[in-house]
Order: sequence, then C-alpha cells, then structure tokens
Amino acid sequence: AQTVTQSQPEMSVQEAETVTLSCTYDTSESDYYLFWYKQPPSRQMILVIRQEAYKQQNATENRFSVNFQKAAKSFSLKISDSQLGDAAMYFCAYTSSGTYKYIFGTGTRLKVLA
Amino acid sequence: GAVVSQHPSRVICKSGTSVKIECRSLDFQATTMFWYRQFPKQSLMLMATSNEGSKATYEQGVEKDKFLINHASLTLSTLTVTSAHPEDSSFYICSAKRLMYQETQYFGPGTRLLVL
Repeated sequence: AQTVTQSQPEMSVQEAETVTLSCTYDTSESDYYLFWYKQPPSRQMILVIRQEAYKQQNATENRFSVNFQKAAKSFSLKISDSQLGDAAMYFCAYTSSGTYKYIFGTGTRLKVLA
Repeated sequence: GAVVSQHPSRVICKSGTSVKIECRSLDFQATTMFWYRQFPKQSLMLMATSNEGSKATYEQGVEKDKFLINHASLTLSTLTVTSAHPEDSSFYICSAKRLMYQETQYFGPGTRLLVL
C-alpha cells in the first residue's frame, strides 16, 4: 500500500529566510503524481505545487520549489524568501493514475517569525 | 479557474436531524468529486468518491447509510449526514477534479458541522 510520511510536525522560519519541508512516500507504481497543499487558518486547501513522477525536472512556482528524488522516494518543498502569509499547515499528497485518490501525509505546521 | 464552493460554510444542528452539504464546481465540469473529513490538527481523511450519475464509493469504515452522497450533475455533489449525532461534528471538505488533468484535485472551503 502507498504511504506518505511527513516527519516534521512543526517548523519555524524567520521572515525572508528559506525553509525546507520534508516528505517521503512509498509506492510500487510507476505513474504517479505528488503535490504540496497549503492549509491556512481559514482551512481552505490551496494547491502549492505539483510534480509528475515521469518528469525529472523539479517543479517550481515562484518562491516554491521541490526537490524530487525519485529513487529515494523523497519530495521536499523549499520555500524561499518566506513571508508571514506562508504560515500554514502544509500537506504532502500522492496520487496515481486509475483511482486518482489522494493519500495525504500528516502535515507540517509552518510558523513564520517576524 | 478551478473554483469549488461549498454550502453552508458552517451549520449547527440538533442531534437526530439531517444535514445536507453542497459542493459545486463553479467554472469546470467535474465527473468525480471527493468528500473528506478533517478532525482538529489532523490530516484529511477520505470518506467517499462521488461519480456523476453513479453510486458513490465509500472508504472502509465509512457508513454509507449515515453519509449519503448524491452526484446528480457534472457540477454538483451533495453529502447528507443523516440522523446526526455529536460524534459527527467535524470539518467536511469536498474536492473536484477536471476531465483534463485528472490527477489534480481542487478543494472547496469546507463546512464546519456542530451537532448539539
């Protein structure tokens, strides 16, 4: 069975600094996708970034980038120039073609210090 | 694009009543929607997968008679919590995926249910 593990329950970063959130997963599938979602206090789930497993190039979205290590089954999120608005719960998610059901990690709470 | 709405955002009801939550994809068609439940400070737990025009598929341990799901159109799915009890109090979130880019889910803002 597929699993997603986020080993950091909570992280803190100074405003304008860089922080990396960790995510590892386990799967025997070859066609899958990985995501990072942000859940601020409003609890609205917001898509931050997505990565197709077949693409070797790491996805980037402005200040957000991932380090996708397929062999190691690692999918970390780097947030550069952290802003107060980045404070939220961050969930790593996995899905594979077929059911397209998500498997979520337990989340990492990110605090941004002014 | 890819906006999903939920209504109501918050509902308080008495034990024993039924509550209906609507999930709408506003600017795209969604053949599949998903319903999640989230307890405080926890991750999202998938309850069921809702397919337009067919019966929902429930995850193990989810009572299908308690949580009725209807997906009557390509833009609307409803979750009815029947005979609600205090233990059903939770945050319910729906998501939808497009016909294209099916791997990506877009989430509604959630519904907070409090059963007294």
